[in-house]
Amino acid sequence: SQKIEQNSEALNIQEGKTATLTCNYTNYSPAYLQWYRQDPGRGPVFLLLIRENEKEKRKERLKVTFDTTLKQSLFHITASQPADSATYLCALKGDRGSTLGRLYFGRGTQLTVWP
Amino acid sequence: NAGVMQNPRHLVRRRGQEARLRCSPVKGHSHVYWYRQLPEEGLKFMVYLQKENIIDESGMPKERFSAEFPKEGPSILRIQQVVRGDSAAYFCASSLTLRTEATDTQYFGPGTRLTVL
Repeated sequence: SQKIEQNSEALNIQEGKTATLTCNYTNYSPAYLQWYRQDPGRGPVFLLLIRENEKEKRKERLKVTFDTTLKQSLFHITASQPADSATYLCALKGDRGSTLGRLYFGRGTQLTVWP
Repeated sequence: NAGVMQNPRHLVRRRGQEARLRCSPVKGHSHVYWYRQLPEEGLKFMVYLQKENIIDESGMPKERFSAEFPKEGPSILRIQQVVRGDSAAYFCASSLTLRTEATDTQYFGPGTRLTVL
């Protein structure tokens, strides 16, 4: 069965540094991969999508890489700010038949950026 | 310009009662998904619906749980005879189509937090 692992449950970094979050998956060939942000008591908010044939994608201070050989995605937040503190979720898109609509989520990494 | 709306935001039920969770997708979206998030766990897919059709219900328990997305009105997730293990946050998401990666991005609602006493 598919398995998605995010590097650690919690990551604490100082303001201004770059946060790097990892998402690894096995037994899966996703069409693409997405990153979401979730704040306590709220629903996930879509951040970025990267396709299987893309190596890297950027959006403002966010950068995502996708290595289908290593079955890994890295999510970077540069010049991090306390407002970036949240749980970040990796999600893979189903690629077979009727599973095409569903997303498979990792458990998330809780990021805390301290001043 | 409303996003996905869910109600109620919080729902308390006693064991054996029924829970009804409602979801209004983004205007114009015809695909609805339900996910469940248990404490300290990730989001788990439950069911995927289009208007009047269940496309994929492989993540939903076969007993006590049902979902619908009628031609008119919100999508409903119904849990009959609730048990304590049903306590969780239930999230609804919607997407426009499955045609491209951009149009099938799923947008999530704020969730309904179900507590079973």
